[in-house]
Amino acid sequence: GAGVSQSPRYKVTKRGQDVALRCDPISGHVSLYWYRQALGQGPEFLTYFNYEAQQDKSGLPNDRFSAERPEGSISTLTIQRTEQRDSAMYRCASSPTGYEQFFGPGTRLTVL
Amino acid sequence: TQLLEQSPQFLSIQEGENLTVYCNSSSVFSSLQWYRQEPGEGPVLLVTVVTGGEVKKLKRLTFQFGDARKDSSLHITAAQPGDTGLYLCRGPTGDNYGQNFVFGPGTRLSVLP
Repeated sequence: GAGVSQSPRYKVTKRGQDVALRCDPISGHVSLYWYRQALGQGPEFLTYFNYEAQQDKSGLPNDRFSAERPEGSISTLTIQRTEQRDSAMYRCASSPTGYEQFFGPGTRLTVL
Repeated sequence: TQLLEQSPQFLSIQEGENLTVYCNSSSVFSSLQWYRQEPGEGPVLLVTVVTGGEVKKLKRLTFQFGDARKDSSLHITAAQPGDTGLYLCRGPTGDNYGQNFVFGPGTRLSVLP
């Protein structure tokens, strides 16, 4: 594809359920970033990868959040035992260098 | 922790007016980037400034990086409704060869026809 894709675009889940959010980066991009964005706010860094290696996960809110990129391409952000405060737009971005990032459309997660 | 502040938080102006939005920090950044985000979309890069005092122009948009590399401004001349959106500044932070980034909270601009 031409750009970064994310799936699902919308996810509604009940509190306590696990969710997996997928990011498909631009082919060949080395770096992949996950952000969380509240309405009207700037993106909040969660974690990023270079190839398959997770370089920084300092932005993950707690141990219910995890991410992987096992083959250096597609990445999955997993939230276990979701809580209402996890509701947000989750955005993925990929970059050839880390500098200019190309953002996906996001997954809007709603936890009831 | 390097943080970015942006002002104003909200700005609503009439078409044709000029405006300036600001991005400030108490920390020095090696570079700053400006992004624009339209409703329902991801942020899109507008410009990167890397040299203190640098001025870059992109059509009606003028970006300036402060001499001390702690602040940046975005000036829009003769604003148009198509300029409406959330303007975000972003800078590299921490180690990891500058690949970790922090975003400011953004300025939400509304240009009324």
